[in-house]
Amino acid sequence: IAGITQAPTSQILAAGRRMTLRCTQDMRHNAMYWYRQDLGLGLRLIHYSNTAGTTGKGEVPDGYSVSRANTDDFPLTLASAVPSQTSVYFCASSDSEGSTDTQYFGPGTRLTVL
Amino acid sequence: GQNIDQPTEMTATEGAIVQINCTYQTSGFNGLFWYQQHAGEAPTFLSYNVLDGLEEKGRFSSFLSRSKGYSYLLLKELQMKDSASYLCAALDSNYQLIWGAGTKLIIKP
Repeated sequence: IAGITQAPTSQILAAGRRMTLRCTQDMRHNAMYWYRQDLGLGLRLIHYSNTAGTTGKGEVPDGYSVSRANTDDFPLTLASAVPSQTSVYFCASSDSEGSTDTQYFGPGTRLTVL
Repeated sequence: GQNIDQPTEMTATEGAIVQINCTYQTSGFNGLFWYQQHAGEAPTFLSYNVLDGLEEKGRFSSFLSRSKGYSYLLLKELQMKDSASYLCAALDSNYQLIWGAGTKLIIKP
């Protein structure tokens, strides 16, 4: 593994189903982030984690939850998917949160909720 | 509220120069980032400015004016591979990145 990986690459999901998007980084970065990107809108922060064991809410957290059991993994869960959650989801990491450190992005997960 | 404005789309010719503007309004300011994003791919870091002035990095330069809430990305000697979206993002007082919607740059031969 080099950098950040996300799985799955893409997924079609029925509304009401539960789904977990996986994110793993091997850079030993403290901070990790989940964004969604929709056409015509900027990246919007869903949840973030400053360090293992802590998480925080971003701009659009409703309908999503995260956990950070260790430094490397930061899964995003949709408890009961709705069509408005159709989007491209990017995971990112940086050396530390609350700083000017550059964020590095994973390749993204394209999610369609029908 | 916090806001980032940048043009939706620009077109330029291979070999030419293009300037992509970005204006920002944030609660506090801790710097301005530019990222490049090719279609279907992840954003990748281009530049970071926190002080006024021009930062040059090869064919790409980035400028910041804090007093005007304004930045631009200058791309010289355009190549076809520069066709991409360019994302402007400002770091607010809480060190959260506020993102613009991106400028899609189309390069024509």
